Amino acid sequence: GENVEQHPSTLSVQEGDSAVIKCTYSDSASNYFPWYKQELGKRPQLIIDIRSNVGEKKDQRIAVTLNKTAKHFSLHITETQPEDSAVYFCAASSKQAGTALIFGKGTTLSVSS
Amino acid sequence: GAVVSQHPSWVICKSGTSVKIECRSLDFQATTMFWYRQFPKQSLMLMATSNEGSKATYEQGVEKDKFLINHASLTLSTLTVTSAHPEDSSFYICSAGGTSGYEQYFGPGTRLTVT
Repeated sequence: GENVEQHPSTLSVQEGDSAVIKCTYSDSASNYFPWYKQELGKRPQLIIDIRSNVGEKKDQRIAVTLNKTAKHFSLHITETQPEDSAVYFCAASSKQAGTALIFGKGTTLSVSS
Repeated sequence: GAVVSQHPSWVICKSGTSVKIECRSLDFQATTMFWYRQFPKQSLMLMATSNEGSKATYEQGVEKDKFLINHASLTLSTLTVTSAHPEDSSFYICSAGGTSGYEQYFGPGTRLTVT
């Protein structure tokens, strides 16, 4: 089955800096790659996603890149703010729409002002 | 749109008792729902896939006789933790995927504490 590796496990940046989180996946059939932000005790919140037919997607300060050949995808946050501090998870799902998400182990991002 | 609810939001039970958690899609029909478990400071681990009108598919290592899943309608899936033990204490989250896309919609989660 699918296995998703995520790095780093913790990331500390200064306000205004950029943050990059990287994930690799094992199943070449995976075709949907979302990123979630989770605050303590809350449900995961989708912040951006990308499908395998696209190499990059951007939404204001957040961008995701996908390299299908290398089976890795990355989250880029620019101009970080203290409110970006949270745990971020990458995930992957394979085959047709509606299949289960397999999550990476998460990255705790701390943005200090 | 695409709202998923869970009930209860938190529950405390004694060791050996059973607890039922409900997951509802409020404004869409969900042929498939998923159950995840999240221990403190860990990731979401898929427990099982719940399909309306058929038996759930459990992930390796998840005891199907302990975690009973029923998906009796297109808007409701239930997870029953039978004979709960302290090690079952965790955050249980369900999600539902609509038929129109890849995105999944998460419930708010249920915090289970077994004493």
